[in-house]
Amino acid sequence: EAGVAQSPRYKIIEKRQSVAFWCNPISGHATLYWYQQILGQGPKLLIQFQNNGVVDDSQLPKDRFSAERLKGVDSTLKIQPAKLEDSAVYLCASSTRLAGGFNEQFFGPGTRLTVL
Amino acid sequence: GQQLNQSPQSMFIQEGEDVSMNCTSSSIFNTWLWYKQDPGEGPVLLIALYKAGELTSNGRLTAQFGITRKDSFLNISASIPSDVGIYFCAGQLAGTASKLTFGTGTRLQVTL
Repeated sequence: EAGVAQSPRYKIIEKRQSVAFWCNPISGHATLYWYQQILGQGPKLLIQFQNNGVVDDSQLPKDRFSAERLKGVDSTLKIQPAKLEDSAVYLCASSTRLAGGFNEQFFGPGTRLTVL
Repeated sequence: GQQLNQSPQSMFIQEGEDVSMNCTSSSIFNTWLWYKQDPGEGPVLLIALYKAGELTSNGRLTAQFGITRKDSFLNISASIPSDVGIYFCAGQLAGTASKLTFGTGTRLQVTL
């Protein structure tokens, strides 16, 4: 079974530029997550989708970050304009369904963003 | 946002030694998880704990869900070089629709 795919793997941009990341979850996984992992820290949830609807975006900096999952499958995360503090690894994860109990999240390899 | 406190931050051990690390929170969690992250990869789930006091093993790994539900422990026995990586705990609050709060990580390095 193919895992979570992300691209690009690395991106270097200058501050105030825009950048977009792409994620393709495991086939059949209804729930998709975007995390930000700053160097030396654990992942922090930015946004969670159930199919094509947003479940939780409480920690997404909405003035500059946006995400969509139009067809309920793959997803894009965009930053516009980027700031130096956005330098981090952006991880995508997916799980089978949203429920009251625990559903294992499977992570992609991440996109490492460097903002100069 | 909240991050769970893990200790130690990093460990240098010799191959064959046992390792212990813990994770504490100010909040009560319904589920505790332990992940391992290799360089350039996403975290991979090692162990999931669902009940206070629960002790669960996965090969050389053993984890415990603290009785207060505010902490968890991970032990690795007889470490080997491939144990190198960063270990994260994560907690899930009841009714939070699978939202995970991650710890700050413990970096493990194994010397031969």
